[in-house]
Amino acid sequence: RKEVEQDPGPFNVPEGATVAFNCTYSNSASQSFFWYRQDCRKEPKLLMSVYSSGNEDGRFTAQLNRASQYISLLIRDSKLSDSATYLCAVKKNNDMRFGAGTRLTVKP
Amino acid sequence: GAGVSQTPSNKVTEKGKYVELRCDPISGHTALYWYRQSLGQGPEFLIYFQGTGAADDSGLPNDRFFAVRPEGSVSTLKIQRTERGDSAVYLCASSSGTFGDSPLHFGNGTRLTVT
Repeated sequence: RKEVEQDPGPFNVPEGATVAFNCTYSNSASQSFFWYRQDCRKEPKLLMSVYSSGNEDGRFTAQLNRASQYISLLIRDSKLSDSATYLCAVKKNNDMRFGAGTRLTVKP
Repeated sequence: GAGVSQTPSNKVTEKGKYVELRCDPISGHTALYWYRQSLGQGPEFLIYFQGTGAADDSGLPNDRFFAVRPEGSVSTLKIQRTERGDSAVYLCASSSGTFGDSPLHFGNGTRLTVT
């Protein structure tokens, strides 16, 4: 079983749609959680950290469920510029592991 | 400020050759990571350093791969007797390492092609 699992998609949504991604992790001792965004042929860039109480950054909302060992990312009012691959990342101490990513395409 | 710098950005080599990939982390970052990413996949963990020492090298696929960070700053990933299956983007990242929730900051990667 992979340490971090994501639905690879692709998710194809129209502009303005709301889309949600889930990610599960296997190590119950994981301490920190993140969502990264990766554009084609570019490096991953931090989108947001995920906090236990859930957190929001503009149109993006991240949630953590420790009991079920999953994290989620919700994107509201999708923009064309949101098209990218979204990587889930899980950290224990300084050891960070990534999921395979979920590909999102937002269409006009 | 300067981000993570990786050189070269592209490297084409013949099967069986030796290559070195360099990573210059963000100044002051104590933790440095190497990942490998193939098309359509997420970053695959290779090794991470805390200071000069390899804290976890469990991701190195075999003994052809080796990495060093002699002064706790710049790191070099070394691949001996390259194989076509080594072709991938090699990503380096660093973090402050001070707090468990500190994120990783990635360089642009080195695209390695073994012919």
